[in-house]
Amino acid sequence: EPEVTQTPSHQVTQMGQEVILRCVPISNHLYFYWYRQILGQKVEFLVSFYNNEISEKSEIFDDQFSVERPDGSNFTLKIRSTKLEDSAMYFCASSEVGGPKTQYFGPGTRLLVL
Amino acid sequence: AQRVTQPEKLLSVFKGAPVELKCNYSYSGSPELFWYVQYSRQRLQLLLRHISRESIKGFTADLNKGETSFHLKKPFAQEEDSAMYYCALETSGSRLTFGEGTQLTVNP
Repeated sequence: EPEVTQTPSHQVTQMGQEVILRCVPISNHLYFYWYRQILGQKVEFLVSFYNNEISEKSEIFDDQFSVERPDGSNFTLKIRSTKLEDSAMYFCASSEVGGPKTQYFGPGTRLLVL
Repeated sequence: AQRVTQPEKLLSVFKGAPVELKCNYSYSGSPELFWYVQYSRQRLQLLLRHISRESIKGFTADLNKGETSFHLKKPFAQEEDSAMYYCALETSGSRLTFGEGTQLTVNP
């Protein structure tokens, strides 16, 4: 069964550094999403992406964040200048176009900002 | 604004006992609700969505618009049901709003 994959599984970075989190959505899916979960807190929506543009973003998704689909398979989340509070588990998800849009999640990338 | 509340952070039952995980929501539009499950060290997986009215792994959930609830139930819990359960509400643009989650432990 096809699955969403994410790399790396863990990333440690210094405050102020840029990080890029990578996701490979399920191949016939055209909606892509990023969520994050700070330790001990709920899963929070960051952004949705369709047809090469952002469909919706939350108040968390400020100018430090950007998303891109650089080729036909990858979907990336870039954090330009990481802060301590960006430490979290970041989940990518994808869904089909049309019909019930069930979101399928990747295993997550655990980001630690020191 | 939309909101999902799962009042129990932890729930512990014995094998074979009924289990109910509570979920309440607040949303002005027409809600689409989901239950996701996360087994230990695994990814979030869809358990069920109200629109399909399926029973998955013996779990069911009924949307009660009057009480704004979408409680998850299973008549006889199994040890393999031990996991984290998240209720989620889909709003415009396909954004999912999650509850805080309930950690279910089924004891032998």
